[in-house]
Amino acid sequence: GAGVSQSPSNKVTEKGKDVELRCDPISGHTALYWYRQSLGQGLEFLIYFQGNSAPDKSGLPSDRFSAERTGGSVSTLTIQRTQQEDSAVYLCASSFGWPNEQFFGPGTRLTVL
Amino acid sequence: AQRVTQPEKLLSVFKGAPVELKCNYSYSGSPELFWYVQYSRQRLQLLLRHISRESIKGFTADLNKGETSFHLKKPFAQEEDSAMYYCALKRESGGSNYKLTFGKGTLLTVNP
Repeated sequence: GAGVSQSPSNKVTEKGKDVELRCDPISGHTALYWYRQSLGQGLEFLIYFQGNSAPDKSGLPSDRFSAERTGGSVSTLTIQRTQQEDSAVYLCASSFGWPNEQFFGPGTRLTVL
Repeated sequence: AQRVTQPEKLLSVFKGAPVELKCNYSYSGSPELFWYVQYSRQRLQLLLRHISRESIKGFTADLNKGETSFHLKKPFAQEEDSAMYYCALKRESGGSNYKLTFGKGTLLTVNP
């Protein structure tokens, strides 16, 4: 079956613009995670969704970042008024419930000029 | 707070040589440790987890709670092992035990 998919694979934007990153989890997976991978850094947890429960947003770096998950499936990570320090690879992962193995998507490489 | 340290950003060995990728962690509770691998132009994937106590692709890792380490080892490295390796930790149980904390990664290069 298909794995986790993310779109776009690459996004170049200008400072100050808003961007939306999309994640399609593996069908049937109830848990969804967003991570950020910055140059020279490890993966940084951003947000976690599990079913209909309130998401854990504790990893979001600022209020310019938000995410939603519609219908318990597709998720969108939105970054408003992008800054150069937002440049990174944004990874999405999903799992069948928690705390089961997380399967990662290919990532979206965001470049803010 | 939980922290994972991978002291080597880069590690280069020759094919057939033993390899050890170091991972140390800081966590006051009972952790669960993982190794993830990312091959060139591929997505991040789970390599092994300490609770499984298994060998994957010839790699093993033992959790040493006394030294708070979870080093990844392979007796004879292969060129196809060249990849970025990430050590990760999460709580074994209880709230927020879905949240993985990753180290910064070690880029392993196995030379012919």
